[in-house]
Amino acid sequence: EPEVTQTPSHQVTQMGQEVILRCVPISNHLYFYWYRQILGQKVEFLVSFYNNEISEKSEIFDDQFSVERPDGSNFTLKIRSTKLEDSAMYFCASRATTTTNEKLFFGSGTQLSVL
Amino acid sequence: AQSVSQHNHHVILSEAASLELGCNYSYGGTVNLFWYVQYPGQHLQLLLKYFSGDPLVKGIKGFEAEFIKSKFSFNLRKPSVQWSDTAEYFCAVTGGSNFGNEKLTFGTGTRLTIIP
Repeated sequence: EPEVTQTPSHQVTQMGQEVILRCVPISNHLYFYWYRQILGQKVEFLVSFYNNEISEKSEIFDDQFSVERPDGSNFTLKIRSTKLEDSAMYFCASRATTTTNEKLFFGSGTQLSVL
Repeated sequence: AQSVSQHNHHVILSEAASLELGCNYSYGGTVNLFWYVQYPGQHLQLLLKYFSGDPLVKGIKGFEAEFIKSKFSFNLRKPSVQWSDTAEYFCAVTGGSNFGNEKLTFGTGTRLTIIP
């Protein structure tokens, strides 16, 4: 089965530093997403991205966050100035279309630890 | 806004026991319902989904779920669990028939531990 790839698997950073989380979606997919899961809490939607622009974002996705598809394969999430509360597992996901039976594929996640 | 509740935080069963994990959702309109599984160290995988039609949905690895609209529930079941079913299970919902709005709302998850 095709896979969504996320790197790194674990990122440790100092508070106030910028981090970029990288994702390689499945090659023919057009819709891309970031979700996160703070330890012990539910998985939360952050942002969806299509046709080189954000199609929807949650209230969590404030000005400190940005997404980009810098080339034909990567999809990145940048946190400009990390805070302690940004520590979480970040999941990238992609799908080919948004038709009814289209499956959403998730990556393995990047565990972000902000110290 | 839609929400999902999973009341069982941690379930411990012996192999061959039957499993039922509860999931209740809150949404006034048409819903699409999902169960995802996350094995230790792995990514979220889709177990099964319900969009319409037969409310009893069969998924991979012997899992099934039943959509009961009157109870706003979508409980996950398996008649006989195996040690390899040890994982975290997440119920999720998207609302409406506008599939451009494909944002998933997840429950908090249920950790399932199977004792050999």
